[in-house]
Order: sequence, then structure tokens, then C-alpha cells
Amino acid sequence: AQTVTQSQPEMSVQEAETVTLSCTYDTSESDYYLFWYKQPPSRQMILVIRQEAYKQQNATENRFSVNFQKAAKSFSLKISDSQLGDAAMYFCASQGGSEKLVFGKGTKLTVNP
Amino acid sequence: KAGVTQTPRYLIKTRGQQVTLSCSPISGHRSVSWYQQTPGQGLQFLFEYFSETQRNKGNFPGRFSGRQFSNSRSEMNVSTLELGDSALYLCASSPWVGETQYFGPGTRLLVL
Repeated sequence: AQTVTQSQPEMSVQEAETVTLSCTYDTSESDYYLFWYKQPPSRQMILVIRQEAYKQQNATENRFSVNFQKAAKSFSLKISDSQLGDAAMYFCASQGGSEKLVFGKGTKLTVNP
Repeated sequence: KAGVTQTPRYLIKTRGQQVTLSCSPISGHRSVSWYQQTPGQGLQFLFEYFSETQRNKGNFPGRFSGRQFSNSRSEMNVSTLELGDSALYLCASSPWVGETQYFGPGTRLLVL
């Protein structure tokens, strides 16, 4: 079984600053994927970034990057140069092999002007 | 490409009624998954369909059912609605099983 834990229910950051959201996971799969999804007030779930577990290189998408520590089963998201539009719920998720997505409880990010 | 579409976007029902929600995946995507999101339970997996076959089912009662059509469009049905079924129902599609899922805007269901 897979589990995903997000230990920070809420985080806040000043506009233009950097913030890191934490996530730990557990899986018995040897082949799996990790994701960060963003859910703004519109409730549309938007894919932010994806990491293949077999890749050692951390994924990057513009201002978003991850710190993937496979041995520690840690998968944190770093948002650089935070913008007001980054305010949302952020969900960490894992998907083992061809199995379902398992989500964490989410972290609510507030961006202060 | 158009994204995942879900209809209706909002729905109000009363206890005991049944409801059908629809999901049209991204063109070319063959796998469709459904999730229920509530403040208390978070995001919970309902079921996954691929090539008109249910591949996986979450831990939900038999009142929750679904199907997928030959054009990959999917529907989910909830019978004998309960107050606790009030939730945001999210549909996601992916090209194949196990690939990255892209979500629709959701259907917000309120049961009175």
C-alpha cells in the first residue's frame, strides 16, 4: 500500500520569496512516480511537476523544482520567486506502477503581497 | 487539445435520489479515474476505467458505480444518495494506465 504524508497544513510566503513544501511517502513499489498538483480556489486540479523514481535528477518546471531523496522517501517542492497566483492548495501524490494515485492531505499556501 | 470536461458542474439533490455524473477525457486518452474530495476525508480514489473495463475500485459502497464507453467517455452513478455523499467529484484522464493524470474541473454535488 502507498501512503503520502504532508506535515504542513498551511504555509505562507512573501511575494518574490522562496518557499518549500514538504512531503514524505511510503511505497513497496520499485517503479513509481511522484507528483505535485495545485488546486486553486477554482478547485481545478493542475499538474505542477512530476518525478520518475528511477531518475536521480530532480525535476524542474520554470519556478518549480523538487528535492527528491529516494532513500529518505522525501519529495519536497520548492517554489521560487513566489507570485500571488501561486496561492492554492498543494497536493503531493504517488503512483506505483500501474496503480492508482494516492494523495496527501494537502498544504494550503498563502502568498502575501 | 481540449482538456477534461465534466458535466454538470454543480448539482443539488435530496437524500434517496440518484445522480449520474459525466466525464469526457482528453482526446486520445483511454484511461479515466474518478476521485471524491471532501474536507474531512481529502481526496479518495473511487475507480479507474480503461478500454471499457474497470481496473481498480476504491473502498466505497456498492451505491457508487461507473462505466466507460467505447469513445472513452465515462459516467459515474451514485444511487440512494446520503448527506455524506456531498463532495467534489473529480475525473482525471491519462493516455494509458499508469501515466500522468490530468484532471477536469470537477462536479460539486450537494445532497440535502
